[in-house]
Amino acid sequence: DQQVKQNSPSLSVQEGRISILNCDYTNSMFDYFLWYKKYPAEGPTFLISISSIKDKNEDGRFTVFLNKSAKHLSLHIVPSQPGDSAVYFCAARKQGGSEKLVFGKGTKLTVNP
Amino acid sequence: DTGVSQNPRHKITKRGQNVTFRCDPISEHNRLYWYRQTLGQGPEFLTYFQNEAQLEKSRLLSDRFSAERPKGSFSTLEIQRTEQGDSAMYLCASSLGVTVGAFFGQGTRLTVV
Repeated sequence: DQQVKQNSPSLSVQEGRISILNCDYTNSMFDYFLWYKKYPAEGPTFLISISSIKDKNEDGRFTVFLNKSAKHLSLHIVPSQPGDSAVYFCAARKQGGSEKLVFGKGTKLTVNP
Repeated sequence: DTGVSQNPRHKITKRGQNVTFRCDPISEHNRLYWYRQTLGQGPEFLTYFQNEAQLEKSRLLSDRFSAERPKGSFSTLEIQRTEQGDSAMYLCASSLGVTVGAFFGQGTRLTVV
């Protein structure tokens, strides 16, 4: 039962353009969402998060959008840089104070120079 | 280096043997998590500690798995009577709260032959 789904295994974009990574979830009890980036042979690195009471959060080149009615969130990277090439994981937390994160399978982003 | 440290980085063991992994979190972080990641999947939650108390456990954590954090600092994850299905990357993370993002270590890759 995949509660957090990243349906695109991979995405390729040109340097300088926008990268849009998508994530869908099925559990309406999720109240917090996070994006992590992972380079090969390293652990995941926290990027940005959003609470379910918001619809947008921005941090530099990274913006996360949340559409609760559609149970959909997206991560926008503008402008994309070759160093952004990595696997991106979407993760969610259930309300009620749980510390457990449920992760998607990840999307591999390649930014071409 | 003040990040999350995991040892060993790699472990090859024969089926039926016991293995133990160690995680040293970021010193001021009171929360410590263990996740498991297999190829093509996102990290799966195993267990969580706040200080020395183990507060959440996944049903993935069978009787063969045990985790401790005896003094609220480092943690160990032991797998008894390893099986080939235990082969995975075992990730440790620490944080001051999951919503502010957890810092992951580089992981311990376990191969059961």
